[in-house]
Order: sequence, then structure tokens, then C-alpha cells
Amino acid sequence: EAQVTQNPRYLITVTGKKLTVTCSQNMNHEYMSWYRQDPGLGLRQIYYSMNVEVTDKGDVPEGYKVSRKEKRNFPLILESPSPNQTSLYFCASSLSGTLTYYEQYFGPGTRLTVT
Amino acid sequence: AQTVTQSQPEMSVQEAETVTLSCTYDTSENNYYLFWYKQPPSRQMILVIRQEAYKQQNATENRFSVNFQKAAKSFSLKISDSQLGDTAMYFCAFATEIQGAQKLVFGQGTRLTINP
Repeated sequence: EAQVTQNPRYLITVTGKKLTVTCSQNMNHEYMSWYRQDPGLGLRQIYYSMNVEVTDKGDVPEGYKVSRKEKRNFPLILESPSPNQTSLYFCASSLSGTLTYYEQYFGPGTRLTVT
Repeated sequence: AQTVTQSQPEMSVQEAETVTLSCTYDTSENNYYLFWYKQPPSRQMILVIRQEAYKQQNATENRFSVNFQKAAKSFSLKISDSQLGDTAMYFCAFATEIQGAQKLVFGQGTRLTINP
């Protein structure tokens, strides 16, 4: 089954404790992206990757890191989480990063709470 | 910068009624796509309908249709014969290409409740 998976689905952590949210897709997609969803703000892009070893900042990159060492994986790293990073996180992928392949496939979401 | 605005934070209708969700967007681009996504309580993002900006004909998917007014930069979603399963958060989104990379921008969302 073609899908985007995220782990963990739920995470409660404390301020300053490094964490990684994994994202994996099995569709051989080139483009991958991370979003955060907050009430009243919709989804906002954190980082995106056009292909292996190619990443770039989205609209709200502060406090986050990403890497793309393999095509299928795009982990989101919070080196020192803070309470304002409490949010619902989505990973998404698309066949290509160009507009021609506009449809993005979303993972199930990760609910992160930082206390 | 591209922006998407959904001016209705919440809406509520009775089952079988028709409901229209509003969306406006702002862009200087000519080539773009517009989408409506549904997010049920499971939190999964589900693509409901899409519209290519170069197409004048409004998109339709079963009970879901859009009213795309390009000059007014308006993209509303109409749900006919609403069902309890339509209860969800609905997001309007806009996709374009910025410096060779696709960019997806979301509105704030409208929480729709279908009452029995």
C-alpha cells in the first residue's frame, strides 16, 4: 500500500530534550515536506526537500532541523524543544517538487506536547 | 507572498442540507492549483477536490463542487446533501511554484459540523 508513515504518533516530552520524528514514504517520491498545524493558523511549512541531500527552509523553520540521506526518509529533529513547538506535525510527499506533480500525500500526523 | 483566507472559523448545518465554505486567496502568479482538504477527527488530511487555475470549468466530485472565481480570487466549496460523515475541519489550499519548488499554502480552516 502506497503511504507516508510517521512515528511516533503521539509524544509528550520536556523542554530541552532532543527528539526526532521520523517520516518515511514508499512511493519513490522525490519531494518531501514537513508542516505544523496550529489552531487558527492552518498548516504551515517547516522544511522541504526536493531530493536526497537537498533541503530548504519553509515558512517556520526556527527550532527545527531536517536531513535527507535516503530518498524514502525525511526525519524532523528538534534539538531543544520548547513549549511553543507543541503542535500537530504532518509529513507529506510528492512525486516531484515541481508544480506539475502538485498532489501531496500526507502522513497520519504526530501530536507533540512539550511541557 | 501567497495568502489563503477562510473567514468562517465554524459552521453548522442539518443533515441533508447544502452548505458552502468560503475561501479567498491572494497571489500574483498565473499558474497555480487550488484544493480543499478534509480533516476528520482521525486527523488524516484527505484531498476532497482540486481546481486548475487555467480551467474555467468548476471542478465537481460527487456531492462536492467548487465555485472558482479567478478574477475575484475566490474558491468556495459547496457540499450538497450533507452527511454526518462530512463533519470535519476543512482547509482551503493554494499551490504554486516558487524558485522551482512547489509551495502549498493553507488557510486557517473551517470546522464544519453536520447535525442529525
